[in-house]
Amino acid sequence: IQLTQSPSSLSASVGDRVTITCRASQGISSYLAWYQQQPGKVPKLLIYRASTLQSGVPSRFSGSGSGTDFSLTISSMQPEDFGTYYCQHLDGYPLFGPGTKVDI
Amino acid sequence: EVQLVESGGGLAKPGGSLRLSCTASGFTFSSYSMNWVRQSPGKGLEWVSSISSSSRYIYYADSLKGRFIISRDNANNSVNLQMNSLRAGDTALYYCVKSWGYEAFDAWGQGTMVTVSS
Repeated sequence: IQLTQSPSSLSASVGDRVTITCRASQGISSYLAWYQQQPGKVPKLLIYRASTLQSGVPSRFSGSGSGTDFSLTISSMQPEDFGTYYCQHLDGYPLFGPGTKVDI
Repeated sequence: EVQLVESGGGLAKPGGSLRLSCTASGFTFSSYSMNWVRQSPGKGLEWVSSISSSSRYIYYADSLKGRFIISRDNANNSVNLQMNSLRAGDTALYYCVKSWGYEAFDAWGQGTMVTVSS
C-alpha cells in the first residue's frame, strides 16, 4: 500500500478553507490519522479513525473519507495552522504519506 | 503527563553502530506498543520499527534490511533501537513514539539526532 497526498504544497491566507487529500493505492480501513508538524516541532495528532478529532484539537479541523480517499479540512486557517500535514495508515505496517506543506 | 525522552544519538561513521534509548513516563508503559519514527533533514516522516507491549510482535520497515534491532525493557520503561551498518541515508532525527492501538501515534518524544558521516 502507498499513500499519496495532494497537493504537495499550498499557499493559504488566514481565514481560508483548506482541504488536503490522502489517497491510498488500494482500499484501506479507517485507521487513518492526520498529524500537523510545525517547523522545528514534534508532530501533533489531529485526527484519528479518519474523522475523530483528537482531544484538545480545535473544531476547525475535520477529517473524512473511506476506502482509498481521505481528506483533512481546515475550515478557517489560523496563523498557528501553517506547517506540514501528514496522513498515516495504521492497519498493517504503519505508513505515512509524503506530507503537504501549508504556508502563507 | 506522558513523556518520552530519547538519548543516544550522535555522529557515527558509515558502517558503524549506535544504540538509541527512550525512557517513558506518565503512562503504563507495559501496556502499549512503541515505535521509532525518523525524519531526515527537510524530509517527511518515515516509520522505522514497532514493538508490541510484550515484545512478542516486532516489525521493521523493509528499507532497513535487517540492520536495526528494536527491544524494550518494561521493568525500566524503556525502548531501544540498535542501529548497525549505518549509512549516510540513516542520517535523521529519530523519534520515540507511543502507539494508541491502531488509532494513532499519540505521543512523541523530542527526538535524537543521528548523523552518519565520515
